[in-house]
Amino acid sequence: AQTVTQSQPEMSVQEAETVTLSCTYDTSESDYYLFWYKQPPSRQMILVIRQEAYKQQNATENRFSVNFQKAAKSFSLKISDSQLGDAAMYFCAYRVIQGAQKLVFGQGTRLTINP
Amino acid sequence: GAGVSQSPRYKVAKRGQDVALRCDPISGHVSLFWYQQALGQGPEFLTYFQNEAQLDKSGLPSDRFFAERPEGSVSTLKIQRTQQEDSAVYLCASSRSGRFWYEQFFGPGTRLTVL
Repeated sequence: AQTVTQSQPEMSVQEAETVTLSCTYDTSESDYYLFWYKQPPSRQMILVIRQEAYKQQNATENRFSVNFQKAAKSFSLKISDSQLGDAAMYFCAYRVIQGAQKLVFGQGTRLTINP
Repeated sequence: GAGVSQSPRYKVAKRGQDVALRCDPISGHVSLFWYQQALGQGPEFLTYFQNEAQLDKSGLPSDRFFAERPEGSVSTLKIQRTQQEDSAVYLCASSRSGRFWYEQFFGPGTRLTVL
C-alpha cells in the first residue's frame, strides 16, 4: 500500500525568508503524481503544486518549488519569500496515474509565518 | 457553480442519530470523492464515484457509512447510528476524469461533532 510521511508536524519561518517542508512516500508504482496542498483555517484545500513522476525537471509555481528525488522517494516543498498568507497546514499527497484516482495524504505540516 | 459546495458546514448529532451530508460538485465533473479528516490529521479516502457508479468504497470504515450519487451530480454521504469516533471533517472533492485531469477541487467540508 502507498504511504506518505511528513515528519515535521510544525514549522515556522520569518516573513520574506525561505522554508522547506519535507515529504517522503512509499510506492511500488512507477507512474504517479505527487502534490502539495494548502489548507488554511477556512478548511478549503487548495492545490499548490504538482509533479509527474516521469518528469525529471522539478516543478515550480511562482514562489513555490519542489525538490523531487524519485530514487529516494522524497518530495520536498520550498517556499521562497514567505508571506503572511502562506500560513496554513500543508499536505503532501500521492496518486497513481492509471487506475485508482484517490489521493493518499500525509499527516500535514503546520506552517507559521512570523512577521 | 463556481466551486464544490457542501452542506451543512457544521453538524452536531447525538450519538445514535443518523446524519446526511451533501456535496454539490463542479458542473461537468465526472469524478467525485469523499474524504474523512480527523482533527490534526490528513484526509483519508472514503469512497469514489464516476458519474453515478460507485467504483471504490474501500475506505468506508463500517457498514454504517453509505454514499450515493444517483444522477451523477449531487452526492450524499449518510452515517447511520453515529458514534463519537465519527466526529471529523468530511471533505468532498470533484474532478474531470482521465489520466491528465489530475486536480481534485475540494469543498469547504462539513464538520461533524457527535456528542
